[in-house]
Amino acid sequence: LAKTTQPISMDSYEGQEVNITCSHNNIATNDYITWYQQFPSQGPRFIIQGYKTKVTNEVASLFIPADRKSSTLSLPRVSLSDTAVYYCLVGDGYNTDKLIFGTGTRLQVFP
Amino acid sequence: DTAVSQTPKYLVTQMGNDKSIKCEQNLGHDTMYWYKQDSKKFLKIMFSYNNKELIINETVPNRFSPKSPDKAHLNLHINSLELGDSAVYFCASSQKGRARQMEAFFGQGTRLTVV
Repeated sequence: LAKTTQPISMDSYEGQEVNITCSHNNIATNDYITWYQQFPSQGPRFIIQGYKTKVTNEVASLFIPADRKSSTLSLPRVSLSDTAVYYCLVGDGYNTDKLIFGTGTRLQVFP
Repeated sequence: DTAVSQTPKYLVTQMGNDKSIKCEQNLGHDTMYWYKQDSKKFLKIMFSYNNKELIINETVPNRFSPKSPDKAHLNLHINSLELGDSAVYFCASSQKGRARQMEAFFGQGTRLTVV
C-alpha cells in the first residue's frame, strides 16, 4: 500500500502564505494528486488537483516535483476561515483501483 | 439543493444491532463511494460503486454491505454492529474517469456511535 505522510498540524497568522506538504511513496504513475479541505462536522471539499509541475486556481497552488514523491499545497494570504484540516489524495501504486487519503494536516490561522 | 445528502446525521445504537445509512446524490454522477473517518480523523475508502461495478476495500468486514437501488442512491447496511464501528461515515459521488474520481463531492457525514 502506498504510504502518505503529512505534518499533523501547522499554525499561521492571517495574511501569511502557508505551504503544506504531503509525502507519498509509490503512487500510481499516471494518477493525479488531489487536495481536500475539511471543516468540523462537514465532509471534505475538493480544493485543487494536479499531475506534475505547478497548478494554480482561484484558491490555491499545487506544486509537484518531477519525481512525484511529494506535493505541496500553497495557500496564499490565509484568513481565519482557512482554519481546517487539509488532506492529500493519491492513487495507490500497488493497486491502481485504490485511492488513499493522507493523514491530514490541521491548519490553525490566528488573527 | 444539497448535492450529496445522507441520513441520518447522527445514529446511536447498541452493539449487535443492524442499521442502515442512506445516501442520495442529485449531481447525475456515475460513481458513488462510502468513506469511514475514525476518531483520529483518518479517512479511508470503504467502497466505490459504478454502474453495478462494486470495488471493495478488502479491509472492510463483510458485515458492511452497500446497496444501490439506482444510480442516484448508495445505501450502507451494517450488520451486527460492534463498538469499533463507531466513526463518521461519508458518502461521496463523482463522475467517471480517474481524475474525476479524485474530485469527489462529499455528504455531510453520519456520526455513528455504537454503545
